[in-house]
Amino acid sequence: AQTVTQSQPEMSVQEAETVTLSCTYDTSESDYYLFWYKQPPSRQMILVIRQEAYKQQNATENRFSVNFQKAAKSFSLKISDSQLGDAAMYFCAYRFLGGATNKLIFGTGTLLAVQP
Amino acid sequence: ETGVTQSPTHLIKTRGQQVTLRCSSQSGHNTVSWYQQALGQGPQFIFQYYREEENGRGNFPPRFSGLQFPNYSSELNVNALELDDSALYLCASGWTGQAKTQYFGPGTRLLVL
Repeated sequence: AQTVTQSQPEMSVQEAETVTLSCTYDTSESDYYLFWYKQPPSRQMILVIRQEAYKQQNATENRFSVNFQKAAKSFSLKISDSQLGDAAMYFCAYRFLGGATNKLIFGTGTLLAVQP
Repeated sequence: ETGVTQSPTHLIKTRGQQVTLRCSSQSGHNTVSWYQQALGQGPQFIFQYYREEENGRGNFPPRFSGLQFPNYSSELNVNALELDDSALYLCASGWTGQAKTQYFGPGTRLLVL
């Protein structure tokens, strides 16, 4: 069975600084996507960044980038120049591409606080 | 904004009752998935509907059921509510194509007393 683990229940960062959120996963499959979602207090789950497993190049979206280590099954999120609006719960998620559904498997989340 | 809406935003029920939650998908999406998010946890996959048929289910009992309509709106029905059903229920719409992702609605917060 596929699993996703986020070992940091809470993290804190100073505004304008850089923070890295950790995620590890377990799967025997080779074709999958990995995602980072942000869930602010409004509860809306917002896609931050996506990584295709077949791509060696790490995905980047503005201030957000990932460090994807396929052999180690590690997928960390780096937030640069942190802003107050980045404060939220962050979830790492896995999706197997070979199944019949778009099922996402989520970790337990990391609550990020941004200090002014 | 993701273009996915859910109603109601909050709901209070008592144990043993039945509840229906609604989701309106983003235009053009052909799949709808439902997730249960207990307090302090990540979302758990309940099931997915594609072309009005359930085509995948997570580890949830049959009292969790759903419908998908031709306009790609969807319902989640839960019978015989239990206290542990208290959670945030999220729907997500998307495509069956591999290159796409899903877009989540804002959720319905259900409290079972």
